[in-house]
Amino acid sequence: SQELEQSPQSLIVQEGKNLTINCTSSKTLYGLYWYKQKYGEGLIFLMMLQKGGEEKSHEKITAKLDEKKQQSSLHITASQPSHAGIYLCGAPTLNTGNQFYFGTGTSLTVIP
Amino acid sequence: DTEVTQTPKHLVMGMTNKKSLKCEQHMGHRAMYWYKQKAKKPPELMFVYSYEKLSINESVPSRFSPECPNSSLLNLHLHALQPEDSALYLCASSRNPKGLGTSGRIDIQYFGAGTRLSVL
Repeated sequence: SQELEQSPQSLIVQEGKNLTINCTSSKTLYGLYWYKQKYGEGLIFLMMLQKGGEEKSHEKITAKLDEKKQQSSLHITASQPSHAGIYLCGAPTLNTGNQFYFGTGTSLTVIP
Repeated sequence: DTEVTQTPKHLVMGMTNKKSLKCEQHMGHRAMYWYKQKAKKPPELMFVYSYEKLSINESVPSRFSPECPNSSLLNLHLHALQPEDSALYLCASSRNPKGLGTSGRIDIQYFGAGTRLSVL
């Protein structure tokens, strides 16, 4: 099965600081999603990356996909308390695009 | 509208009870999913329905019984659960139930807010 390792496991930053979360796959990536989850709630879709080298941005969040390294990164610029939560990367398997696996998660705390 | 609605939000049940979780979407999506999420762990896929037919069962115990009565509705029937089944149960849907291939594309999965289940 696909294994997605995220780093760091948890992150505490001061408001206004930049941060990066990484997601590394044990297998070839055929696309990658990033989601955010508040504790005990559902997942909110952030971004989807499908091609190697692809980079997408939404507000202060930028995600990149490095297919060769089987890795994706999520970068938050000038973090705010509203960015706090658990960030999850996810990827489908090759044969069944809807068989989806999630990374280990990164818990982000932003101190005002 | 990208809303997936799950009911109830919270559920407490005994080990001998029978209960059901409900998930609804009106986006015309033809793939629906159940995930289980334990505390501080990522969601784990349980079942996938494609065109209202069960296409993937990730070796889930038979005390969990999914049902897809129509393209908008997904149920998860629970019977004789164990305390270790206590978790957040998430439902998701996506537009295209077809798998990846050279001509395939992955679709966004939209998630509901989940049902917090406690088994006593």
